[in-house]
Amino acid sequence: QSALTQPASVSGSPGQSITISCTGTSSDVGSYNFVSWYQQHPGKAPKLMIYEITKRPSGVSNRFSGSKSGNTASLTISGLQAEDEADYYCCSYLGSSTWVFGGGTKLTVL
Amino acid sequence: QVTLRESGPALVKPTQTLTLTCSFSGFSLSASDMCVSWIRQPPGKALEWLALIGKNDDGYYSTSLRARLAISKDTSKNQVVLTMTNMDPVDTATYYCARIRGGSSSDGAFDIWGQGTMITVSS
Repeated sequence: QSALTQPASVSGSPGQSITISCTGTSSDVGSYNFVSWYQQHPGKAPKLMIYEITKRPSGVSNRFSGSKSGNTASLTISGLQAEDEADYYCCSYLGSSTWVFGGGTKLTVL
Repeated sequence: QVTLRESGPALVKPTQTLTLTCSFSGFSLSASDMCVSWIRQPPGKALEWLALIGKNDDGYYSTSLRARLAISKDTSKNQVVLTMTNMDPVDTATYYCARIRGGSSSDGAFDIWGQGTMITVSS
């Protein structure tokens, strides 16, 4: 199973909005609602930011939102803040209790 | 409070077998739909899902690493063990364990992660 495809990097200025895409296939992203997003700061463990495509765990800012269209899921961060600078990973269910992550996207806040 | 903590040898030699332990608290693998997965991350690279175990004793594995992995649990100790055979320098990575809800109530979210343990494969 190949990793989901994410842009290597995205950037934005404070206050702006950015969107990170996550492209899979009809066998993963396109087939399931179990798409999640994780934020990872350097040297830290990943943190769940979005699950089931659009849901936010308690404590995660509503500036983070998720969506899906066909085989592509997206994470949007509005009102960019310096603390949002991190790596972001998408993850999709593959069926049969197996999972696949994306290649990761480095977000730079200019 | 839910916590997970990984432990294992910091250094293994090529061809050796790696044994990692995930010790967790705040939930049960036997009395709920909770599962534990192993995920790794080579230095500077992406996350890679490895394996999962839940209430039953069945393990689920990455297709690319299935032949080298075995996952098991000790319910009485609240531990999940991952073994990986025939270690190679390309297996150098931080290995994480994470909780995920399985079964019919699954939300597909790795909601709680351990801090990770760095494993280096070198002679």
